[in-house]
Amino acid sequence: ETGVTQTPRHLVMGMTNKKSLKCEQHLGHNAMYWYKQSAKKPLELMFVYSLEERVENNSVPSRFSPECPNSSHLFLHLHTLQPEDSALYLCASSQQQGESYGYTFGSGTRLTVV
Amino acid sequence: QQQVKQSPQSLIVQKGGISIINCAYENTAFDYFPWYQQFPGKGPALLIAIRPDVSEKKEGRFTISFNKSAKQFSLHIMDSQPGDSATYFCAASFGTGKLIFGQGTTLQVKP
Repeated sequence: ETGVTQTPRHLVMGMTNKKSLKCEQHLGHNAMYWYKQSAKKPLELMFVYSLEERVENNSVPSRFSPECPNSSHLFLHLHTLQPEDSALYLCASSQQQGESYGYTFGSGTRLTVV
Repeated sequence: QQQVKQSPQSLIVQKGGISIINCAYENTAFDYFPWYQQFPGKGPALLIAIRPDVSEKKEGRFTISFNKSAKQFSLHIMDSQPGDSATYFCAASFGTGKLIFGQGTTLQVKP
């Protein structure tokens, strides 16, 4: 384990469902991130949280709703998704927001929207 | 300006050979250039990184070569092994450290 744990590992959901992805880090980091990884595309930064405050939202559709209740936990709430939202969703953390090094990634949640 | 262009998209190398992956960037403000390695079913993990004040950094069989004037950097894997088969991402960042990733290169090392 890298110190960043994501659950579930796999998720299949219908377009009308509501589900949540969970990320937990045990590293004492203060910043957490959600990335989307699609086939043959660069990793796309979705959200950045620093000390539980959202500091960046990269024009992500409102059907993705992040939540950071404390510096160790990060959620991504999903509702009325589209098939094109199928991807690997990665959580990462770093000691401070904006730290150029020391990004630790989780293993991701493989999401399939049917 | 914010893009990092990575090539090739895929690479097949014989065991013992040299694997070379290239990246190019436009934004001269970038000051940190890491490479990440990702195995199937895992998240990316930091492999090696360089800052633009040096032209080369070596860690074991992995070397980053950096050409500031050409705005290019590359990863060289010497004596490639089947265990090196993975997807490799270059990235770049500056200041606040927002990482901009390349498209990724899938490396297959044949025994």
